[in-house]
Amino acid sequence: LAKTTQPISMDSYEGQEVNITCSHNNIATNDYITWYQQFPSQGPRFIIQGYKTKVTNEVASLFIPADRKSSTLSLPRVSLSDTAVYYCLVGGMNSGYSTLTFGKGTMLLVSP
Amino acid sequence: DADVTQTPRNRITKTGKRIMLECSQTKGHDRMYWYRQDPGLGLRLIYYSFDVKDINKGEISDGYSVSRQAQAKFSLSLESAIPNQTALYFCATSDLNSGTQETQYFGPGTRLLVL
Repeated sequence: LAKTTQPISMDSYEGQEVNITCSHNNIATNDYITWYQQFPSQGPRFIIQGYKTKVTNEVASLFIPADRKSSTLSLPRVSLSDTAVYYCLVGGMNSGYSTLTFGKGTMLLVSP
Repeated sequence: DADVTQTPRNRITKTGKRIMLECSQTKGHDRMYWYRQDPGLGLRLIYYSFDVKDINKGEISDGYSVSRQAQAKFSLSLESAIPNQTALYFCATSDLNSGTQETQYFGPGTRLLVL
């Protein structure tokens, strides 16, 4: 299983763009990169997923360089409600075993 | 996600008691998971199931057992609860046939306190 490394915490202010980078040096060819968001006392919630280059949805953008050894979650113009823990996961579809491992995540604190 | 429900939402029990946490889903997914989360830690996988006849141990299965009674139901049991099993427990589901990497959908969690 590909291991991920991300910062333990980040601070930001309302209205700023936040970029959270995740390292996954041993990502496999078939692995996708997925980010989840978790609010206190709630289950994680899917944000975005990608394989290469750039993916954008209504919530965030995901930038993946050509070597795919890292990825960056970009949250445009954050608000207080974006304060949460963000998890970077790497894995693929595999019928043999569960391929998703949640690390400790990045605690993002957005201040006024 | 309202399609994944957990009961009870909160539970207080005593050391040595047997308890069961239940998870139901209406998403029609084949895969179901049980995780626990402790303060300051990420989610750790306890058990997972790919269909009704399939049960697999996760990272921290000792002291737990599971039952997959139907596609929609996956129960987690603590045969003899101990204080260090105090945690927040999450059930999740995913669809193997989504066409891309599996996306997991989580329930609201069960907060368990073992005295």
